[in-house]
Amino acid sequence: SQKIEQNSEALNIQEGKTATLTCNYTNYSPAYLQWYRQDPGRGPVFLLLIRENEKEKRKERLKVTFDTTLKQSLFHITASQPADSATYLCALPLRGSQGNLIFGKGTKLSVKP
Amino acid sequence: DTEVTQTPKHLVMGMTNKKSLKCEQHMGHRAMYWYKQKAKKPPELMFVYSYEKLSINESVPSRFSPECPNSSLLNLHLHALQPEDSALYLCASSQDLGGTHYEQYFGPGTRLTVT
Repeated sequence: SQKIEQNSEALNIQEGKTATLTCNYTNYSPAYLQWYRQDPGRGPVFLLLIRENEKEKRKERLKVTFDTTLKQSLFHITASQPADSATYLCALPLRGSQGNLIFGKGTKLSVKP
Repeated sequence: DTEVTQTPKHLVMGMTNKKSLKCEQHMGHRAMYWYKQKAKKPPELMFVYSYEKLSINESVPSRFSPECPNSSLLNLHLHALQPEDSALYLCASSQDLGGTHYEQYFGPGTRLTVT
């Protein structure tokens, strides 16, 4: 069955540094991958979508890469700020579905001032 | 308006109660979803509606009963729940199941406690 793994449960970095989060998947070749941000007790908020034919996508201080050979996506936040502290979830479409997602467990990012 | 609203924000119910969770969106989205999220776990898909028809039911117990009265509204009817059903229940919507618009918009969730 398809598996999605976010290797780090938690990541602590200093303000101003670049945060890099990893998402790996197996037994699947998804057409796209998404990243969401979730704050405690709130619903996830969509950040970026990257398709299988795109190597990299950027949005302001966010950058996502998608390596279909390694079956891995990297999510970068440059010039991180304490307000970036949250849990970041990667999500893939369920195999055989159109738009239904399976989420990774998430990485809790803490940015210290 | 890119907002999905959910009511109530918090709900405490006994195991013999019947209650309903409500979700609403006015983005013209044709797909709506219910997820369940336990603490420190990712959201788990429960139900998917596409064009007001139930598209997916991820082997959810019958004590959870979804309803989609129209394209903007989604309900989740609860009956005879167990304490392990306590969780954050999230509603989401997306433009469609197919096509290129795959991102989902989530509501703030209903925090359910079953006593």
